[in-house]
Amino acid sequence: EVQLVEAGGGFVQPGRSLRLSCAGSGFTFDDVAMHWVRQPPGKGLEWVSGISWDTNDVAYADSVKGRFTISRDNAKDTLYLEMDSLTTEDTAFYYCAKDLGEQLVSYTWFDSWGQGILVTVSS
Amino acid sequence: EIQMTQSPSSVSAFIGDRVTITCRASQSVSSYVNWYRQTPGKAPTVVIYTASSLQTGVPARFSGSGSGTHFSLTISSLQPEDVGIYYCQQTFGVPITFGQGTRLDLK
Repeated sequence: EVQLVEAGGGFVQPGRSLRLSCAGSGFTFDDVAMHWVRQPPGKGLEWVSGISWDTNDVAYADSVKGRFTISRDNAKDTLYLEMDSLTTEDTAFYYCAKDLGEQLVSYTWFDSWGQGILVTVSS
Repeated sequence: EIQMTQSPSSVSAFIGDRVTITCRASQSVSSYVNWYRQTPGKAPTVVIYTASSLQTGVPARFSGSGSGTHFSLTISSLQPEDVGIYYCQQTFGVPITFGQGTRLDLK
Protein backbone atom coordinates (compact mmCIF):
# COMPACT_ATOMS: atom_id res chain seq x y z
CA GLU A 1 0.00 0.00 0.00
CA VAL A 2 1.32 3.40 -0.99
CA GLN A 3 1.79 5.76 1.93
CA LEU A 4 2.95 9.36 2.00
CA VAL A 5 3.43 10.94 5.40
CA GLU A 6 4.15 14.63 5.75
CA ALA A 7 5.91 16.12 8.76
CA GLY A 8 7.40 19.42 9.88
CA GLY A 9 4.38 21.69 9.80
CA GLY A 10 3.29 24.02 12.54
CA PHE A 11 3.13 27.64 13.60
CA VAL A 12 5.79 30.08 12.39
CA GLN A 13 6.20 33.84 12.40
CA PRO A 14 6.36 35.85 9.16
CA GLY A 15 9.85 36.00 7.70
CA ARG A 16 10.94 32.75 9.29
CA SER A 17 11.68 29.39 7.70
CA LEU A 18 10.24 25.90 7.91
CA ARG A 19 11.14 22.58 6.32
CA LEU A 20 8.53 20.01 5.42
CA SER A 21 9.30 16.38 4.74
CA CYS A 22 7.29 13.60 3.13
CA ALA A 23 8.23 9.98 3.69
CA GLY A 24 7.13 7.56 1.02
CA SER A 25 6.57 3.83 1.31
CA GLY A 26 4.87 1.03 -0.57
CA PHE A 27 6.32 2.03 -3.93
CA THR A 28 9.68 2.55 -5.61
CA PHE A 29 10.33 6.15 -4.59
CA ASP A 30 13.08 6.84 -7.09
CA ASP A 31 10.92 5.73 -10.01
CA VAL A 32 8.54 8.69 -9.87
CA ALA A 33 8.37 12.45 -9.83
CA MET A 34 6.98 14.07 -6.69
CA HIS A 35 5.08 17.27 -6.00
CA TRP A 36 3.91 19.62 -3.27
CA VAL A 37 0.38 21.00 -3.45
CA ARG A 38 -1.10 23.41 -0.93
CA GLN A 39 -4.58 24.45 0.08
CA PRO A 40 -5.35 27.46 2.26
CA PRO A 41 -8.13 26.56 4.71
CA GLY A 42 -11.46 26.66 2.92
CA LYS A 43 -9.90 27.44 -0.45
CA GLY A 44 -8.77 25.61 -3.56
CA LEU A 45 -5.71 23.61 -4.56
CA GLU A 46 -2.47 25.26 -5.68
CA TRP A 47 0.45 23.30 -7.10
CA VAL A 48 3.58 24.56 -5.34
CA SER A 49 6.52 22.64 -6.72
CA GLY A 50 7.60 19.44 -8.41
CA ILE A 51 10.78 17.42 -8.86
CA SER A 52 11.72 14.69 -11.30
CA TRP A 53 12.81 11.25 -10.16
CA ASP A 54 16.49 12.06 -10.60
CA THR A 55 16.33 15.66 -9.24
CA ASN A 56 17.46 17.01 -12.61
CA ASP A 57 14.26 18.90 -13.21
CA VAL A 58 12.46 21.08 -10.70
CA ALA A 59 9.81 23.76 -11.02
CA TYR A 60 7.93 26.18 -8.80
CA ALA A 61 4.78 28.22 -8.79
CA ASP A 62 5.48 31.91 -9.27
CA SER A 63 4.07 32.57 -5.80
CA VAL A 64 6.93 30.68 -4.13
CA LYS A 65 9.76 30.97 -6.63
CA GLY A 66 12.94 32.20 -4.97
CA ARG A 67 11.63 31.41 -1.48
CA PHE A 68 10.89 27.67 -1.54
CA THR A 69 13.27 24.86 -2.47
CA ILE A 70 12.18 21.33 -3.28
CA SER A 71 14.56 18.40 -2.91
CA ARG A 72 14.50 14.67 -2.46
CA ASP A 73 16.69 11.99 -0.94
CA ASN A 74 16.01 8.79 -2.84
CA ALA A 75 18.15 6.80 -0.44
CA LYS A 76 15.75 7.79 2.34
CA ASP A 77 12.57 7.72 0.22
CA THR A 78 11.87 11.26 1.37
CA LEU A 79 10.75 14.48 -0.29
CA TYR A 80 11.46 17.89 1.21
CA LEU A 81 10.23 21.45 0.91
CA GLU A 82 12.38 24.17 2.40
CA MET A 83 10.27 27.28 2.88
CA ASP A 84 12.00 30.60 3.53
CA SER A 85 10.73 34.16 4.00
CA LEU A 86 7.31 32.88 4.88
CA THR A 87 4.34 35.22 4.73
CA THR A 88 0.78 34.94 5.95
CA GLU A 89 -0.18 34.07 2.35
CA ASP A 90 1.70 30.78 2.78
CA THR A 91 -0.71 29.57 5.47
CA ALA A 92 -2.18 26.35 4.11
CA PHE A 93 -2.41 22.61 4.31
CA TYR A 94 0.54 21.22 2.39
CA TYR A 95 0.18 17.89 0.61
CA CYS A 96 2.88 15.83 -1.00
CA ALA A 97 1.69 13.96 -4.05
CA LYS A 98 3.11 11.10 -6.07
CA ASP A 99 3.21 11.36 -9.84
CA LEU A 100 2.63 8.35 -11.99
CA GLY A 101 5.56 9.26 -14.20
CA GLU A 102 9.28 9.86 -13.80
CA GLN A 103 9.64 13.28 -15.28
CA LEU A 104 8.44 16.61 -13.94
CA VAL A 105 6.10 16.86 -16.91
CA SER A 106 4.96 13.30 -17.52
CA TYR A 107 1.48 14.09 -18.85
CA THR A 108 0.14 11.93 -16.06
CA TRP A 109 -1.67 12.55 -12.79
CA PHE A 110 -1.16 12.46 -9.03
CA ASP A 111 -2.17 8.97 -8.01
CA SER A 112 -1.45 9.18 -4.29
CA TRP A 113 -1.48 12.03 -1.81
CA GLY A 114 -0.38 12.41 1.77
CA GLN A 115 -2.84 13.34 4.48
CA GLY A 116 -1.67 16.94 4.46
CA ILE A 117 0.03 19.03 7.11
CA LEU A 118 -0.91 22.51 8.27
CA VAL A 119 1.51 25.41 8.12
CA THR A 120 0.31 28.54 9.87
CA VAL A 121 2.23 31.76 9.37
CA SER A 122 1.22 34.42 11.85
CA SER A 123 2.69 36.97 14.19
CA GLU B 1 0.89 29.86 -17.02
CA ILE B 2 -2.09 27.85 -18.23
CA GLN B 3 -5.27 28.98 -16.49
CA MET B 4 -7.97 26.41 -15.79
CA THR B 5 -11.44 27.87 -15.37
CA GLN B 6 -14.19 25.68 -13.96
CA SER B 7 -17.92 26.20 -14.06
CA PRO B 8 -20.13 26.30 -12.20
CA SER B 9 -18.45 27.15 -8.92
CA SER B 10 -21.17 25.24 -7.10
CA VAL B 11 -24.06 22.99 -8.05
CA SER B 12 -26.88 21.36 -6.12
CA ALA B 13 -28.73 18.40 -7.57
CA PHE B 14 -31.14 15.64 -6.63
CA ILE B 15 -30.16 12.02 -6.30
CA GLY B 16 -30.42 10.49 -9.74
CA ASP B 17 -29.80 13.74 -11.59
CA ARG B 18 -27.26 14.09 -14.36
CA VAL B 19 -24.55 16.57 -13.39
CA THR B 20 -21.93 18.13 -15.67
CA ILE B 21 -18.97 20.25 -14.63
CA THR B 22 -16.87 22.00 -17.23
CA CYS B 23 -13.27 23.16 -17.33
CA ARG B 24 -11.72 25.48 -19.88
CA ALA B 25 -7.99 25.83 -20.40
CA SER B 26 -6.47 29.15 -21.47
CA GLN B 27 -4.49 27.32 -24.17
CA SER B 28 -4.50 23.83 -25.59
CA VAL B 29 -3.47 21.12 -23.15
CA SER B 30 -4.19 18.25 -25.53
CA SER B 31 -5.90 15.57 -23.40
CA TYR B 32 -3.81 16.08 -20.28
CA VAL B 33 -6.59 17.00 -17.92
CA ASN B 34 -7.43 15.12 -14.78
CA TRP B 35 -10.37 15.40 -12.41
CA TYR B 36 -10.13 15.00 -8.64
CA ARG B 37 -12.74 14.82 -5.92
CA GLN B 38 -12.09 16.10 -2.42
CA THR B 39 -14.26 15.51 0.62
CA PRO B 40 -13.92 17.47 3.88
CA GLY B 41 -10.72 16.80 5.77
CA LYS B 42 -9.35 14.48 3.12
CA ALA B 43 -6.80 14.68 0.34
CA PRO B 44 -8.06 14.76 -3.25
CA THR B 45 -8.37 11.52 -5.17
CA VAL B 46 -8.35 11.15 -8.93
CA VAL B 47 -11.65 10.31 -10.59
CA ILE B 48 -10.85 10.76 -14.29
CA TYR B 49 -7.39 10.95 -15.84
CA THR B 50 -6.21 12.03 -19.26
CA ALA B 51 -9.58 13.62 -19.98
CA SER B 52 -11.68 10.49 -20.31
CA SER B 53 -10.13 7.49 -18.54
CA LEU B 54 -11.95 6.22 -15.47
CA GLN B 55 -9.75 5.60 -12.47
CA THR B 56 -9.90 2.05 -11.13
CA GLY B 57 -12.59 1.72 -8.52
CA VAL B 58 -14.56 4.78 -9.61
CA PRO B 59 -18.16 3.98 -10.58
CA ALA B 60 -19.06 3.91 -14.26
CA ARG B 61 -21.58 6.73 -13.77
CA PHE B 62 -18.58 9.06 -13.95
CA SER B 63 -17.29 10.02 -17.35
CA GLY B 64 -14.99 12.64 -18.81
CA SER B 65 -14.64 14.16 -22.22
CA GLY B 66 -12.84 16.87 -24.11
CA SER B 67 -9.56 17.82 -25.66
CA GLY B 68 -7.69 20.98 -26.46
CA THR B 69 -9.23 23.66 -24.28
CA HIS B 70 -12.68 22.37 -23.32
CA PHE B 71 -13.29 19.52 -20.91
CA SER B 72 -16.18 18.16 -18.92
CA LEU B 73 -16.89 15.74 -16.10
CA THR B 74 -20.33 14.13 -16.04
CA ILE B 75 -22.06 12.10 -13.38
CA SER B 76 -24.92 10.29 -15.10
CA SER B 77 -26.97 9.58 -11.98
CA LEU B 78 -25.92 11.44 -8.85
CA GLN B 79 -25.49 9.38 -5.71
CA PRO B 80 -25.06 10.64 -2.12
CA GLU B 81 -21.43 9.56 -1.99
CA ASP B 82 -20.58 11.77 -4.97
CA VAL B 83 -20.80 15.01 -3.02
CA GLY B 84 -17.61 16.95 -2.58
CA ILE B 85 -15.47 19.48 -4.38
CA TYR B 86 -14.25 18.60 -7.86
CA TYR B 87 -11.09 20.05 -9.35
CA CYS B 88 -9.72 19.83 -12.85
CA GLN B 89 -5.95 19.82 -13.31
CA GLN B 90 -3.70 20.20 -16.34
CA THR B 91 -0.38 18.34 -16.48
CA PHE B 92 0.53 19.48 -19.99
CA GLY B 93 3.10 21.95 -18.71
CA VAL B 94 4.57 23.63 -15.68
CA PRO B 95 3.40 25.24 -13.61
CA ILE B 96 0.82 22.51 -13.21
CA THR B 97 -2.46 24.24 -12.54
CA PHE B 98 -5.83 23.40 -11.02
CA GLY B 99 -9.23 24.85 -11.61
CA GLN B 100 -10.79 26.77 -8.75
CA GLY B 101 -13.08 23.89 -7.83
CA THR B 102 -16.78 23.06 -8.12
CA ARG B 103 -18.71 22.27 -4.97
CA LEU B 104 -21.30 19.56 -5.55
CA ASP B 105 -23.99 18.87 -2.98
CA LEU B 106 -27.44 17.37 -2.74
CA LYS B 107 -30.72 19.22 -2.95
